[in-house]
Amino acid sequence: DGGITQSPKYLFRKEGQNVTLSCEQNLNHDAMYWYRQDPGQGLRLIYYSQIVNDFQKGDIAEGYSVSREKKESFPLTVTSAQKNPTAFYLCASSIQGRRGEQYFGPGTRLTVT
Amino acid sequence: AQSVAQPEDQVNVAEGNPLTVKCTYSVSGNPYLFWYVQYPNRGLQFLLKYITGDNLVKGSYGFEAEFNKSQTSFHLKKPSALVSDSALYFCAVRDIGETGRRALTFGSGTRLQVQP
Repeated sequence: DGGITQSPKYLFRKEGQNVTLSCEQNLNHDAMYWYRQDPGQGLRLIYYSQIVNDFQKGDIAEGYSVSREKKESFPLTVTSAQKNPTAFYLCASSIQGRRGEQYFGPGTRLTVT
Repeated sequence: AQSVAQPEDQVNVAEGNPLTVKCTYSVSGNPYLFWYVQYPNRGLQFLLKYITGDNLVKGSYGFEAEFNKSQTSFHLKKPSALVSDSALYFCAVRDIGETGRRALTFGSGTRLQVQP
């Protein structure tokens, strides 16, 4: 899982509550990403950031928000507007540029009831 | 737009036999291609990538993949499967010509089951 940490590993919330997932990397990577994984659907991109204080929506950004105030950190907030938030969330980082592979954290499994 | 297809949800192979996990892609330009492996409740681990050059790419744990531009494929292979290779495998692509989106597009994954 490289130098990327995600916490907590398991997270439980009640419906209607916002929740923030942590992602920290010590790889000195410029780019960071958030993916959502559901069974049988592979990984879907939520948000990504190429540089500090800048980020772009991915394919399924609705109901999520992010910030990138530090190079090392890219927290993801799952808001109450996300209709189906229960999923496995993966954070990744890469060096700048298109050739670099992404390195993934261990993931956070969020369950909302 | 870039996309990836992994046509098999699951591949079963006996230990010691060769294995192939299939991947086809679609991009408007030329691709960067990647294979990742995921063990239960873990993040993805990078196996190998094709950027340019030799069509046969060698990666971690004895895996290799062959880039075939005419068939737009990037199949993952291993000459002799191990039980410990049992995991979920993802193919991913990035379009070289896509200057905006820098993230990878992943396939839906193929579960590899190696029987002893």
